[in-house]
Amino acid sequence: EAGVVQSPRYKIIEKKQPVAFWCNPISGHNTLYWYRQNLGQGPELLIRYENEEAVDDSQLPKDRFSAERLKGVDSTLKIQPAELGDSAVYLCASSLDHISYEQYFGPGTRLTVT
Amino acid sequence: AQTVTQSQPEMSVQEAETVTLSCTYDTSESDYYLFWYKQPPSRQMILVIRQEAYKQQNATENRFSVNFQKAAKSFSLKISDSQLGDAAMYFCAYRNSPSGSRLTFGEGTQLTVNP
Repeated sequence: EAGVVQSPRYKIIEKKQPVAFWCNPISGHNTLYWYRQNLGQGPELLIRYENEEAVDDSQLPKDRFSAERLKGVDSTLKIQPAELGDSAVYLCASSLDHISYEQYFGPGTRLTVT
Repeated sequence: AQTVTQSQPEMSVQEAETVTLSCTYDTSESDYYLFWYKQPPSRQMILVIRQEAYKQQNATENRFSVNFQKAAKSFSLKISDSQLGDAAMYFCAYRNSPSGSRLTFGEGTQLTVNP
């Protein structure tokens, strides 16, 4: 069974530029999560999707961040414009549903904003 | 809001020895899950072990076991017979149950295994 796939693995951009991250969850998983992990810290939830609906986006900085999950499968997280403080690892995870205790994580995208 | 605290930024252990990683949490809920995740340099978070708060028996998974003290809000991870492959960052995490699915992570403990 294929795991959670994320791309790119690494991204370096200049501040004020846009950037997008892509996630393909495990087949059949209805719940998808985006986390941000700052250096030396644990991940923090940005947004959670149940199928196509964003049901928990309270931690998403909506002035510059946006996300979508078309057709309830793949998801894209976008930052526009990026700031120096956005440098972090962006992790995608999926679970069968929101009750399932286990979340399966992808390898993440390491973003560096210069 | 729930918080998770890991007071040991770094730990080291000799191969084949036992090490214990500490975690405390704060919550007003009575029903919740606790987890230990492992994050190797590849960055992929891997679930090591979970504990349901309503269960008094401590969870075990092969060489990994927990000491869950609900009244003290403490949840430590014991790794027995440590192996070189155990070297990684370990995160303690909390989530409400049954309906909550947001994971709240601690700051992590970097475990080094010395040959």
